[in-house]
This record gives sequence, C-alpha cells and structure tokens, in this order.
Amino acid sequence: SQKIEQNSEALNIQEGKTATLTCNYTNYSPAYLQWYRQDPGRGPVFLLLIRENEKEKRKERLKVTFDTTLKQSLFHITASQPADSATYLCALFMNYGGSQGNLIFGKGTKLSVKP
Amino acid sequence: EPEVTQTPSHQVTQMGQEVILRCVPISNHLYFYWYRQILGQKVEFLVSFYNNEISEKSEIFDDQFSVERPDGSNFTLKIRSTKLEDSAMYFCASIQATVRGPSPLHFGNGTRLTVT
Repeated sequence: SQKIEQNSEALNIQEGKTATLTCNYTNYSPAYLQWYRQDPGRGPVFLLLIRENEKEKRKERLKVTFDTTLKQSLFHITASQPADSATYLCALFMNYGGSQGNLIFGKGTKLSVKP
Repeated sequence: EPEVTQTPSHQVTQMGQEVILRCVPISNHLYFYWYRQILGQKVEFLVSFYNNEISEKSEIFDDQFSVERPDGSNFTLKIRSTKLEDSAMYFCASIQATVRGPSPLHFGNGTRLTVT
C-alpha cells in the first residue's frame, strides 16, 4: 500500500531562515500531491497543490517541488516567521482515476520558528 | 469565506454509548469526508460520500460507523457503540468537485471525542 514519510518529526529554525521539509512516498507516483498546515486543535488548511508534470510551484513565500524519480516532494518556506510555526502535512490522493479519490496524509513535520 | 462547521467541539461519552458527530459542509460542495486523528498520530481517512452514498471507506470504518446526509446541509457520523480506542479528533471535510481533478479539501476544526 502507498506510504508517505515525512522524515523529520520536528524542525527548529531561526526567524528569517528558509525551512525545508521533506516528503517521500513509496510505490506509485500520485498525479497530485498537496501540502497542508495544521495548528494545534485545528483542522488542516490547504496550502499548495502540485501536479506530477510540474517541477515546482510557488505561492508567496512558499515553494513546493515534486520529483517523481526520487518519489519526493520538498516544501520550502523562505524568510520564515514565528507565525509559520505549525505542523505541515504532506498528502496525496489514492485511487485517482475518474473519481475524486481520497487523500492520505503523512504524519507531518512540526516546524518551530524562533525569533 | 465559507467554512465547514462541526458540532460539538468536544464530546465526552461512556464506552458502549452511541454518538453522532455533526458537520455542515460548504454549501456548493459535492463530496464529503470524515477523517480522524488520534492524539499525536496522523490524520486518517475514514469515509467519503457523494450523491447520497458512500464512495469509499477505509478499514477503520467498520460496522460500528455510519454516515448520513439527513437533509441538504448536514452530514453526520454515527458511532453505534463507542470503544476507548475511538477517542480521537474527528474532522469533516468537503470538496468542490472540478473536472480537472482533485480540489483542495476544506476541513472543519473537528470534534474531539473522548470515550471514558
């Protein structure tokens, strides 16, 4: 079955630095990969979606890459701020092929940005 | 901005009791989901629902679970006889279907279920 691994459970960085989070998956490559942010006691909030034919996607200070050869996605936050502190979840769709499928999540990486 | 709302925010129940968790998805969304997150664990898929029937369900979604869309706005998850291991955060989500492929899921802020 498809597995998602987010290598670091926690990442601590200094304000202003770039945070890089890693997501690896096994088996087949999904057509789409998504990143979500989750704050304590709250539901996940969608950030970015990247398709298998896209190498890179950007949104403001966020950047996502998708390497289907390595079966890996990298999520970058540039010029990080304490407000970026949260858990970041990698997610991909299972059974995409005409249906909406369902989203499976990695365990997440807890990012802490210190002033 | 429209949002998914869930009630109650916290539910405490005794083992063996039935609970119903309620959700109001975003009004023009067509697909609905329930996920759960045990404390410290990952968000896990339970069930998806489309056109008034279950589309897919996971191994977790056994006979103790059921979903219903009783009217045009509510989407419920029922657990018939709760077990201690059902204690978790339960998230409802909805999606605006497009012809181009998966759209982002919109999650509610969850119901924390505590089974004692």
